[in-house]
Amino acid sequence: NAGVTQTPKFQVLKTGQSMTLQCAQDMNHNSMYWYRQDPGMGLRLIYYSASEGTTDKGEVPNGYNVSRLNKREFSLRLESAAPSQTSVYFCASSEEYVTNSPLHFGNGTRLTVT
Amino acid sequence: DAKTTQPNSMESNEEEPVHLPCNHSTISGTDYIHWYRQLPSQGPEYVIHGLTSNVNNRMASLAIAEDRKSSTLILHRATLRDAAVYYCILSRSYSGAGSYQLTFGKGTKLSVIP
Repeated sequence: NAGVTQTPKFQVLKTGQSMTLQCAQDMNHNSMYWYRQDPGMGLRLIYYSASEGTTDKGEVPNGYNVSRLNKREFSLRLESAAPSQTSVYFCASSEEYVTNSPLHFGNGTRLTVT
Repeated sequence: DAKTTQPNSMESNEEEPVHLPCNHSTISGTDYIHWYRQLPSQGPEYVIHGLTSNVNNRMASLAIAEDRKSSTLILHRATLRDAAVYYCILSRSYSGAGSYQLTFGKGTKLSVIP
């Protein structure tokens, strides 16, 4: 039981390049999330998927797109990377999209955009 | 948005209890109080959550004030592995949308002294 798995763990991009961050969970959770964490800051929600087939914007969605591929997988795409997107990206899942459903996080993807 | 206030940092001696405070004076009746922790270079980890009553689990206890404007996370016996950033978060419901968000602040950095 791996929980939430994120790939890759590290990535360096040049400005303007694109890439997709992958996330998969094996807990049969309905809801999935993408957060970013900048140095010394808390986590900010980028996008979320309350259930398979739905996605919605969070606090900081600009410059990103997401795809809920199936119940297990939720990917985050950067179409044209910018230095401001240098951050650590965390994927999370929860059993349901309700206020008392704990989030389970992956160990993050560390992205540097030069 | 519902906000929480936590000390930036705290220290504890190993094998002693730790009380991590959190103020949330603007909490509403349906907000759950969540605690997560983040060890270095890892994703956040769920610790505990509650609504009105005190809660216990294998990791910690959560004491909630009667007026719900503050709470305390209690680690009964700190170990070196408990050194982490601890986040106190309110899960705010947005009526009519059936949605909620967990907003992470900067948390409290707990240092455990051997």
